[in-house]
Amino acid sequence: AQSVTQLDSHVSVSEGTPVLLRCNYSSSYSPSLFWYVQHPNKGLQLLLKYTSAATLVKGINGFEAEFKKSETSFHLTKPSAHMSDAAEYFCVVSDDNTDKLIFGTGTRLQVFP
Amino acid sequence: DGGITQSPKYLFRKEGQNVTLSCEQNLNHDAMYWYRQDPGQGLRLIYYSQIVNDFQKGDIAEGYSVSREKKESFPLTVTSAQKNPTAFYLCASSITSGRIGTDTQYFGPGTRLTVL
Repeated sequence: AQSVTQLDSHVSVSEGTPVLLRCNYSSSYSPSLFWYVQHPNKGLQLLLKYTSAATLVKGINGFEAEFKKSETSFHLTKPSAHMSDAAEYFCVVSDDNTDKLIFGTGTRLQVFP
Repeated sequence: DGGITQSPKYLFRKEGQNVTLSCEQNLNHDAMYWYRQDPGQGLRLIYYSQIVNDFQKGDIAEGYSVSREKKESFPLTVTSAQKNPTAFYLCASSITSGRIGTDTQYFGPGTRLTVL
């Protein structure tokens, strides 16, 4: 069965420094992968998605992610954190058999001034 | 404005009562979904519907029921059979290409249900 692992439950950075949120997945085939962001008590918003096109995917708000099949990773990065980036981030993979989405447990990003 | 609305934002229920959560979308999307979110966990799929008058169980459907009588509406009923209903409930929709796993899902703002 497919799975997705977010390697850090919490990440803290200073404003203006780079952000790295790590995600590893398991999938038999070339998966669809997503990153969603959730601000407190809000719904989820799509940051970016990978569906077997370019391996470097650019998303909204300066975020990007690189699909690395050899490492089964899809890490999310941003060159310079902003205070408004503080939120919960979810890595998501599509299940090969059921075609449903499988959500990671989330990484809470804190940004300090 | 196009989007997904959920109501109410907060809902309190006594044990043994059924409650219905509303989800409406004006995006003209074919597919709609209900997820449950608990602290420290990812979202778990309760039910989904790809077309009017048809819906499928997700991973945690026990104790829940849905209907899809209109394309824009997908209400979720939390029944008294759901043993631990306190959670944050999220509704989503997508234009389905036939493969829901590749479609971008758009989420509503959520309903927080608390059982007293």
